[in-house]
Amino acid sequence: EAEVAQSPRYKITEKSQAVAFWCDPISGHATLYWYRQILGQGPELLVQFQDESVVDDSQLPKDRFSAERLKGVDSTLKIQPAELGDSAMYLCASSLDMLAVQETQYFGPGTRLLVL
Amino acid sequence: AQSVTQLGSHVSVSEGALVLLRCNYSSSVPPYLFWYVQYPNQGLQLLLKYTSAATLVKGINGFEAEFKKSETSFHLTKPSAHMSDAAEYFCAVSANRDDKIIFGKGTRLHILP
Repeated sequence: EAEVAQSPRYKITEKSQAVAFWCDPISGHATLYWYRQILGQGPELLVQFQDESVVDDSQLPKDRFSAERLKGVDSTLKIQPAELGDSAMYLCASSLDMLAVQETQYFGPGTRLLVL
Repeated sequence: AQSVTQLGSHVSVSEGALVLLRCNYSSSVPPYLFWYVQYPNQGLQLLLKYTSAATLVKGINGFEAEFKKSETSFHLTKPSAHMSDAAEYFCAVSANRDDKIIFGKGTRLHILP
């Protein structure tokens, strides 16, 4: 069964350092999502891609966060510099079609980030 | 703006008992509604979704949810709890086809032997 892959699974870093997370969506899925899930809360959308284009990054803290999906396949989310409040689970998801919210979003296992 | 409220951050039920997880939504337009499950250290998995078809929606693992417009609710139920149902459950809402999904804060379900 096809799955969304994410790496690393766990990351510990010190504040002010740079971190990067990688996501490989299910083959053929045009839409890719990055979510942040703070402990005890539900996921919050950070950025949504349709192919290589960003369609929603309204909740992405652009002063320190960046995301790219250069070839419309895999994606990287970067934080520079990391802050203590960035400690969270970062989830990647993909779906076949952006325009059909009824389409199922398939989630990866997530990257748990701890900033010290 | 759309939102969901999940009543109870923790729910405990005995194995074999009825599971009821409550979710109320707020939406200015007919919503799409979802329930997701998250097992420890894993991503989310879709349990079921309401997309304006039948009001009683059946999902995976024996779960179902009923859309009640008059009560603005979308509660999740399962007739008989199993130990493997212990997880965190998220209710979510979207305003329309191409709007983003807004998640609730989650309810952790504990199953007592």
